[in-house]
Amino acid sequence: QSVLTQPPSASGTPGQRVTISCSGSSSNLGSNTVNWYQQLPGTAPKLLIYNNNQRPSGVPDRFSGSKSGTSASLAISGLQSENEADYYCAAWDDSLNGYVFGTGTKVTVL
Amino acid sequence: EVQLVESGGGLVKPGGSLRFSCAASGFTFSNAWMSWVRQAPGKGLEWVGRIKSKTDGGTTDYAAPVKGRFIISRDDSKNTLYLQMNSLKTEDTAVYYCTTAVSATGGAFDIWGQGTMVAVSS
Repeated sequence: QSVLTQPPSASGTPGQRVTISCSGSSSNLGSNTVNWYQQLPGTAPKLLIYNNNQRPSGVPDRFSGSKSGTSASLAISGLQSENEADYYCAAWDDSLNGYVFGTGTKVTVL
Repeated sequence: EVQLVESGGGLVKPGGSLRFSCAASGFTFSNAWMSWVRQAPGKGLEWVGRIKSKTDGGTTDYAAPVKGRFIISRDDSKNTLYLQMNSLKTEDTAVYYCTTAVSATGGAFDIWGQGTMVAVSS
Protein backbone atom coordinates (compact mmCIF):
# COMPACT_ATOMS: atom_id res chain seq x y z
CA GLN A 1 0.00 0.00 0.00
CA SER A 2 1.00 3.62 -0.59
CA VAL A 3 3.17 5.49 1.88
CA LEU A 4 1.76 8.86 0.75
CA THR A 5 -1.70 9.59 2.08
CA GLN A 6 -4.29 11.71 0.29
CA PRO A 7 -7.99 12.28 0.97
CA PRO A 8 -10.05 9.98 -1.26
CA SER A 9 -12.19 12.80 -2.61
CA ALA A 10 -12.55 16.55 -2.93
CA SER A 11 -15.18 18.67 -4.57
CA GLY A 12 -16.18 22.20 -5.40
CA THR A 13 -18.41 24.28 -7.60
CA PRO A 14 -17.14 25.97 -10.77
CA GLY A 15 -14.88 28.87 -9.91
CA GLN A 16 -14.10 27.66 -6.40
CA ARG A 17 -10.69 26.78 -5.02
CA VAL A 18 -9.98 23.18 -4.07
CA THR A 19 -6.96 21.97 -2.10
CA ILE A 20 -5.63 18.41 -1.94
CA SER A 21 -3.25 17.33 0.80
CA CYS A 22 -0.49 14.71 0.65
CA SER A 23 1.08 13.38 3.82
CA GLY A 24 4.34 11.46 3.85
CA SER A 25 7.37 10.86 6.03
CA SER A 26 10.99 11.85 6.44
CA SER A 27 12.16 9.31 3.87
CA ASN A 28 10.01 10.68 1.04
CA LEU A 29 8.50 14.18 1.30
CA GLY A 30 10.86 15.07 4.11
CA SER A 31 13.92 14.62 1.94
CA ASN A 32 12.77 14.77 -1.67
CA THR A 33 10.64 16.98 -3.85
CA VAL A 34 7.00 16.21 -4.58
CA ASN A 35 5.36 15.87 -7.97
CA TRP A 36 1.67 15.90 -8.84
CA TYR A 37 -0.08 14.03 -11.63
CA GLN A 38 -3.55 14.42 -13.08
CA GLN A 39 -5.34 11.43 -14.57
CA LEU A 40 -8.48 12.03 -16.58
CA PRO A 41 -10.84 9.06 -16.92
CA GLY A 42 -9.49 6.39 -19.24
CA THR A 43 -6.24 8.19 -19.99
CA ALA A 44 -2.61 8.04 -18.97
CA PRO A 45 -1.43 10.28 -16.14
CA LYS A 46 -0.18 13.76 -16.95
CA LEU A 47 2.49 15.67 -15.03
CA LEU A 48 0.91 18.69 -13.37
CA ILE A 49 3.50 19.96 -10.87
CA TYR A 50 7.16 19.00 -10.38
CA ASN A 51 9.81 19.99 -7.84
CA ASN A 52 7.11 20.97 -5.31
CA ASN A 53 5.77 24.00 -7.16
CA GLN A 54 6.93 24.08 -10.79
CA ARG A 55 4.48 23.81 -13.67
CA PRO A 56 5.44 22.14 -16.95
CA SER A 57 4.84 24.13 -20.08
CA GLY A 58 1.15 24.22 -20.91
CA VAL A 59 -0.19 23.69 -17.40
CA PRO A 60 -2.30 26.72 -16.42
CA ASP A 61 -1.32 28.78 -13.38
CA ARG A 62 -4.64 27.86 -11.77
CA PHE A 63 -2.71 24.82 -10.55
CA SER A 64 -0.21 25.43 -7.78
CA GLY A 65 1.79 23.25 -5.43
CA SER A 66 3.56 23.65 -2.13
CA LYS A 67 5.47 21.54 0.38
CA SER A 68 6.37 21.94 4.00
CA GLY A 69 8.25 19.27 5.91
CA THR A 70 6.56 15.93 5.31
CA SER A 71 3.37 17.35 3.84
CA ALA A 72 2.45 18.80 0.48
CA SER A 73 -0.61 20.26 -1.15
CA LEU A 74 -2.04 20.93 -4.58
CA ALA A 75 -4.43 23.81 -5.11
CA ILE A 76 -6.78 24.26 -8.03
CA SER A 77 -8.22 27.72 -8.25
CA GLY A 78 -11.04 28.73 -10.57
CA LEU A 79 -12.26 25.13 -10.69
CA GLN A 80 -13.57 24.04 -14.09
CA SER A 81 -15.55 21.00 -15.19
CA GLU A 82 -12.58 19.68 -17.15
CA ASN A 83 -10.62 19.48 -13.90
CA GLU A 84 -12.69 16.46 -12.87
CA ALA A 85 -10.00 13.82 -12.55
CA ASP A 86 -7.90 11.77 -10.18
CA TYR A 87 -4.88 13.54 -8.72
CA TYR A 88 -1.80 11.80 -7.33
CA CYS A 89 1.17 13.12 -5.41
CA ALA A 90 4.47 11.28 -5.80
CA ALA A 91 8.04 11.38 -4.57
CA TRP A 92 11.19 9.28 -4.34
CA ASP A 93 11.47 7.33 -1.11
CA ASP A 94 15.02 6.88 0.16
CA SER A 95 14.14 4.02 2.53
CA LEU A 96 12.26 2.00 -0.09
CA ASN A 97 14.68 3.06 -2.84
CA GLY A 98 11.70 3.54 -5.07
CA TYR A 99 9.20 6.06 -6.38
CA VAL A 100 5.98 6.20 -4.41
CA PHE A 101 2.59 7.53 -5.40
CA GLY A 102 -0.10 8.87 -3.12
CA THR A 103 -3.39 7.08 -2.63
CA GLY A 104 -5.07 9.44 -5.08
CA THR A 105 -7.83 12.02 -4.77
CA LYS A 106 -10.87 12.13 -6.99
CA VAL A 107 -11.93 15.71 -7.68
CA THR A 108 -15.57 16.29 -8.52
CA VAL A 109 -16.98 19.52 -9.90
CA LEU A 110 -20.48 19.96 -8.50
CA GLU B 1 6.84 14.19 -31.67
CA VAL B 2 7.93 12.76 -28.35
CA GLN B 3 6.15 9.45 -27.93
CA LEU B 4 6.09 6.18 -26.02
CA VAL B 5 4.09 3.28 -27.44
CA GLU B 6 3.60 0.07 -25.47
CA SER B 7 2.74 -3.24 -27.07
CA GLY B 8 2.44 -6.88 -26.08
CA GLY B 9 -0.04 -7.03 -23.24
CA GLY B 10 -2.61 -9.79 -22.94
CA LEU B 11 -4.10 -12.60 -20.91
CA VAL B 12 -1.85 -15.01 -19.07
CA LYS B 13 -2.40 -17.74 -16.48
CA PRO B 14 -1.11 -17.46 -12.92
CA GLY B 15 2.48 -18.62 -12.76
CA GLY B 16 3.01 -17.73 -16.40
CA SER B 17 5.29 -15.21 -18.09
CA LEU B 18 4.79 -12.28 -20.38
CA ARG B 19 7.12 -9.82 -22.04
CA PHE B 20 6.12 -6.56 -23.56
CA SER B 21 7.81 -3.54 -24.98
CA CYS B 22 7.72 0.22 -25.14
CA ALA B 23 8.96 1.97 -28.28
CA ALA B 24 10.33 5.47 -27.84
CA SER B 25 10.62 8.24 -30.40
CA GLY B 26 11.25 11.96 -30.55
CA PHE B 27 13.95 12.10 -27.86
CA THR B 28 17.37 10.64 -27.12
CA PHE B 29 16.29 7.32 -25.64
CA SER B 30 19.79 6.25 -24.69
CA ASN B 31 20.09 9.17 -22.26
CA ALA B 32 16.74 8.53 -20.56
CA TRP B 33 16.04 6.77 -17.29
CA MET B 34 12.95 4.71 -18.03
CA SER B 35 10.29 3.50 -15.62
CA TRP B 36 7.26 1.25 -15.59
CA VAL B 37 4.15 2.25 -13.62
CA ARG B 38 1.05 0.10 -13.30
CA GLN B 39 -2.55 0.62 -12.31
CA ALA B 40 -4.80 -2.23 -11.22
CA PRO B 41 -8.47 -1.92 -12.24
CA GLY B 42 -10.13 0.79 -10.18
CA LYS B 43 -6.96 1.36 -8.13
CA GLY B 44 -4.20 3.94 -7.90
CA LEU B 45 -0.83 4.24 -9.55
CA GLU B 46 2.03 1.98 -8.50
CA TRP B 47 5.66 2.34 -9.57
CA VAL B 48 7.03 -0.97 -10.79
CA GLY B 49 10.67 -0.18 -11.41
CA ARG B 50 13.21 1.68 -13.50
CA ILE B 51 16.35 1.30 -15.54
CA LYS B 52 18.99 3.97 -15.69
CA SER B 53 20.77 5.02 -18.84
CA LYS B 54 23.91 3.06 -19.68
CA THR B 55 25.88 6.26 -19.13
CA ASP B 56 24.64 6.23 -15.56
CA GLY B 57 25.35 2.55 -15.10
CA GLY B 58 22.30 0.92 -16.67
CA THR B 59 21.22 -0.47 -13.30
CA THR B 60 17.69 -1.36 -12.32
CA ASP B 61 15.54 -0.80 -9.23
CA TYR B 62 12.28 -2.56 -8.48
CA ALA B 63 9.32 -2.16 -6.18
CA ALA B 64 9.09 -4.82 -3.47
CA PRO B 65 6.00 -6.62 -4.90
CA VAL B 66 7.77 -7.40 -8.18
CA LYS B 67 11.40 -7.75 -7.14
CA GLY B 68 12.81 -11.10 -8.18
CA ARG B 69 9.95 -11.74 -10.64
CA PHE B 70 10.10 -8.82 -13.09
CA ILE B 71 13.05 -7.76 -15.23
CA ILE B 72 13.40 -4.39 -16.91
CA SER B 73 15.79 -4.13 -19.84
CA ARG B 74 16.51 -1.80 -22.72
CA ASP B 75 17.86 -1.92 -26.26
CA ASP B 76 19.18 1.51 -27.08
CA SER B 77 19.85 0.50 -30.69
CA LYS B 78 16.11 -0.05 -31.11
CA ASN B 79 14.96 2.76 -28.78
CA THR B 80 12.94 0.16 -26.93
CA LEU B 81 12.25 -0.62 -23.28
CA TYR B 82 11.15 -4.08 -22.14
CA LEU B 83 9.35 -5.56 -19.16
CA GLN B 84 9.73 -9.31 -18.61
CA MET B 85 7.18 -10.54 -16.09
CA ASN B 86 7.63 -14.03 -14.56
CA SER B 87 5.75 -16.01 -11.93
CA LEU B 88 2.72 -13.85 -12.54
CA LYS B 89 0.06 -13.50 -9.89
CA THR B 90 -3.54 -12.39 -10.17
CA GLU B 91 -2.60 -9.20 -8.34
CA ASP B 92 -0.32 -8.29 -11.25
CA THR B 93 -3.43 -7.61 -13.34
CA ALA B 94 -3.16 -3.97 -14.35
CA VAL B 95 -2.58 -1.44 -17.08
CA TYR B 96 1.16 -1.02 -17.46
CA TYR B 97 2.58 2.34 -18.53
CA CYS B 98 6.11 3.13 -19.57
CA THR B 99 7.19 6.60 -18.63
CA THR B 100 10.18 8.90 -18.44
CA ALA B 101 11.38 12.43 -17.85
CA VAL B 102 12.33 14.15 -21.11
CA SER B 103 12.26 17.79 -20.07
CA ALA B 104 14.12 19.28 -17.11
CA THR B 105 11.58 18.17 -14.51
CA GLY B 106 13.95 16.90 -11.87
CA GLY B 107 13.06 13.36 -12.82
CA ALA B 108 9.29 13.76 -12.70
CA PHE B 109 7.59 11.74 -15.44
CA ASP B 110 6.47 14.09 -18.18
CA ILE B 111 6.07 11.55 -20.97
CA TRP B 112 3.75 8.54 -20.68
CA GLY B 113 2.76 5.75 -23.02
CA GLN B 114 -0.87 4.93 -23.66
CA GLY B 115 -0.68 1.84 -21.45
CA THR B 116 -1.06 -1.86 -22.15
CA MET B 117 -3.41 -4.18 -20.27
CA VAL B 118 -2.18 -7.34 -18.60
CA ALA B 119 -4.74 -9.75 -17.18
CA VAL B 120 -3.59 -12.66 -15.03
CA SER B 121 -6.38 -15.19 -14.68
CA SER B 122 -6.97 -18.91 -14.90
